[in-house]
Amino acid sequence: SQQGEEDPQALSIQEGENATMNCSYKTSINNLQWYRQNSGRGLVHLILIRSNEREKHSGRLRVTLDTSKKSSSLLITASRAADTASYFCATDGISNTGKLIFGQGTTLQVKP
Amino acid sequence: DTEVTQTPKHLVMGMTNKKSLKCEQHMGHRAMYWYKQKAKKPPELMFVYSYEKLSINESVPSRFSPECPNSSLLNLHLHALQPEDSALYLCASSQPSSGTNEQFFGPGTRLTVL
Repeated sequence: SQQGEEDPQALSIQEGENATMNCSYKTSINNLQWYRQNSGRGLVHLILIRSNEREKHSGRLRVTLDTSKKSSSLLITASRAADTASYFCATDGISNTGKLIFGQGTTLQVKP
Repeated sequence: DTEVTQTPKHLVMGMTNKKSLKCEQHMGHRAMYWYKQKAKKPPELMFVYSYEKLSINESVPSRFSPECPNSSLLNLHLHALQPEDSALYLCASSQPSSGTNEQFFGPGTRLTVL
């Protein structure tokens, strides 16, 4: 069953603006990951944050994790048209089954 | 080589056909996955192979039959599919010893069942 929920479902911004996406989950996790998917293509791993971390940066990406609220956010700063894609959060649970539970995804459109 | 490859890119098949999807990785990963993805939806896990053994089958219909011939290859055999099986099929791999379950995805096979 899918346990991750993301909002907004869709986001449209101008180039240069920041984009923020949120993810909520239901059970305890080892880590939370964010993936990007360009239309009709495979997913690309962006960033991973472990359950004992609160914030992580990678280039223009900033991820936060609040395990007390079971939520995470992904911030993309100074967005570019090439950032147009779907973004999924995925949680790796503590039961170590090897399964990732994906959120429903946020579709981001960055207008030039 | 940090790439997962999948063939074919596109596949059109009738409901009586038998076909196979192939996936290959040369990263030394020992876990491989099949996902099904419908438009505007997240990937749905179908099967997980860990150290070449099937470890998870998410109650997938028997018309889908996975096979892991060796640690680099993963196949999905298709038989008597239904039109609702049309979707993007994604393969992924990960290294169980990493402890993170970070997965590397292939570009997918776009399957259309007529």
